[in-house]
Amino acid sequence: SQQGEEDPQALSIQEGENATMNCSYKTSINNLQWYRQNSGRGLVHLILIRSNEREKHSGRLRVTLDTSKKSSSLLITASRAADTASYFCATDASGGSYIPTFGRGTSLIVHP
Amino acid sequence: DTAVSQTPKYLVTQMGNDKSIKCEQNLGHDTMYWYKQDSKKFLKIMFSYNNKELIINETVPNRFSPKSPDKAHLNLHINSLELGDSAVYFCASSQFRNNEQFFGPGTRLTVL
Repeated sequence: SQQGEEDPQALSIQEGENATMNCSYKTSINNLQWYRQNSGRGLVHLILIRSNEREKHSGRLRVTLDTSKKSSSLLITASRAADTASYFCATDASGGSYIPTFGRGTSLIVHP
Repeated sequence: DTAVSQTPKYLVTQMGNDKSIKCEQNLGHDTMYWYKQDSKKFLKIMFSYNNKELIINETVPNRFSPKSPDKAHLNLHINSLELGDSAVYFCASSQFRNNEQFFGPGTRLTVL
């Protein structure tokens, strides 16, 4: 089944720096989503980008999608300690079940 | 006010026991899900119900039996618990074919 793979597995940066996480997937998709998971909590939806979109912004988040390379990136600008969390991409295959399939996530640590 | 709630938050039990996890959502969604997150944070779909009907049943041992008494509830019953069942179980909900999912806080199951 379709699965996103995040890269890197772990990322450690200083407050104020930008954080970039990547997601690659294998087959055609309807859309791709990014979620955040704080330690000990459930996932929280951040942003959804459709297959016909190339870039989307939400506050300090910028998501890009390159369907030719089957990849997406999540950029968090001017990171804060509160951004420390795991970030997951989720894809659903076009013509599929609309059930997003998650990767293993990128663990981001932002040092104050 | 909690959108998706799960009980209990922690569950510690012996091998061979039977246990249940309850999930309720007050978002008016018609689709609910159970996910299992392992120690490496891999999040895998187990079941999905739409309007109380099972629509997704991934390869899950039949010791796991979901029950949806109404659209707002999806409970998970596990028989004959095994060590490998130790994980965090997340309930989620959405509107059918709307990919954004809302997650509960998770239930950490530890089988001794």
